[in-house]
Amino acid sequence: ETGVTQSPTHLIKTRGQQVTLRCSSQSGHNTVSWYQQALGQGPQFIFQYYREEENGRGNFPPRFSGLQFPNYSSELNVNALELDDSALYLCASSWEGLAGIGDTQYFGPGTRLTVL
Amino acid sequence: AQSVSQHNHHVILSEAASLELGCNYSYGGTVNLFWYVQYPGQHLQLLLKYFSGDPLVKGIKGFEAEFIKSKFSFNLRKPSVQWSDTAEYFCAVNSNNNAGNMLTFGGGTRLMVKP
Repeated sequence: ETGVTQSPTHLIKTRGQQVTLRCSSQSGHNTVSWYQQALGQGPQFIFQYYREEENGRGNFPPRFSGLQFPNYSSELNVNALELDDSALYLCASSWEGLAGIGDTQYFGPGTRLTVL
Repeated sequence: AQSVSQHNHHVILSEAASLELGCNYSYGGTVNLFWYVQYPGQHLQLLLKYFSGDPLVKGIKGFEAEFIKSKFSFNLRKPSVQWSDTAEYFCAVNSNNNAGNMLTFGGGTRLMVKP
């Protein structure tokens, strides 16, 4: 059983650019959630994808967008990068069944994004 | 909106000392509760979780946590810490609200265990 993987590990961009981060979910999982972890803080929920659709969104602007593919992998896209977007971006996968509280989320190693 | 508070930001202990890390949450509905640990240079790992049943849950590496519903608390404990427990610990709450099955994290507690 493979765990959650993310790519790239590190990324440096300049203000105004666009970035795409990738995540492969753990085998058997159908849901991917994305979190932003600023230095010295706990992770903050960006959004979640289930069955290739956005299943919930935190307090992040529309320039943060995502996709989920039929194999349950996912992408996080950030447009018009700002300095404050510098953070560790975490992907977590889980199994979600019918309506109700979701199951345990398992995290990948993250992508460290630096915006200059 | 739900929130999670971890009152201890930094904790320094000697080996064999007992550990208790506080976690309080604000949410009136049904919740799942988690403790995650982030060892230096490693990714977030699940330490233990509470979904229902016995409010005293046991996790990996000798950790346990007690859910006290009346106090909205889920404190993490370990009777005797080891140097290898040096890490950052995050309490998290999961609820199925309009934002999907999101995890709300506390700010984390950085634990240093002196050998």
